[in-house]
Amino acid sequence: EAGVTQSPTHLIKTRGQQATLRCSPISGHTSVYWYQQALGLGLQFLLWYDEGEERNRGNFPPRFSGRQFPNYSSELNVNALELEDSALYLCASRTRGDYGYTFGSGTRLTVV
Amino acid sequence: AQRVTQPEKLLSVFKGAPVELKCNYSYSGSPELFWYVQYSRQRLQLLLRHISRESIKGFTADLNKGETSFHLKKPFAQEEDSAMYYCAVNNAGNMLTFGGGTRLMVKP
Repeated sequence: EAGVTQSPTHLIKTRGQQATLRCSPISGHTSVYWYQQALGLGLQFLLWYDEGEERNRGNFPPRFSGRQFPNYSSELNVNALELEDSALYLCASRTRGDYGYTFGSGTRLTVV
Repeated sequence: AQRVTQPEKLLSVFKGAPVELKCNYSYSGSPELFWYVQYSRQRLQLLLRHISRESIKGFTADLNKGETSFHLKKPFAQEEDSAMYYCAVNNAGNMLTFGGGTRLMVKP
């Protein structure tokens, strides 16, 4: 069984640009979560999608957005990139009724 | 607001010594708690969850509702246990809130 896959592995963008990060959950998992792991800040919750709907979002500005597709894969978009957006972005999925997440390897976003 | 606190950013022990990684949470209700581990250059993975009361890689964790703690313990640390450990709690929003993490270093 394939795990949670994220692409790209690394992404380098210039300040002010937009970044799109992708996540494919484990087959059968309907919920997708996005976390930001910035240096020294631990895991900060960004967004939660379930059955195609945004269910919750963390304390991040609106330029962080995303969506979930009918096949349950998900995109995270970050507009107007700032230097402090540089971080590892982790996607996790879970199946209904199980609160344990399975994480992907992450996308390392670097804003220069 | 729900909060998970891991008071130690870094814990350094010698091989064979006991280790305890502390986790305290604030949550009203019946939380589900987890420990996740991130080895160097590997993805974050589930180590154990309180509801299953299992021992993984020699680690155990007991939920103490009175002290609102979920400390992770191992009687004899191994070098391969060196990693970043995160405590997490599930809230009513079906969302995991993570602590700040503790880096465990096991010295030879």
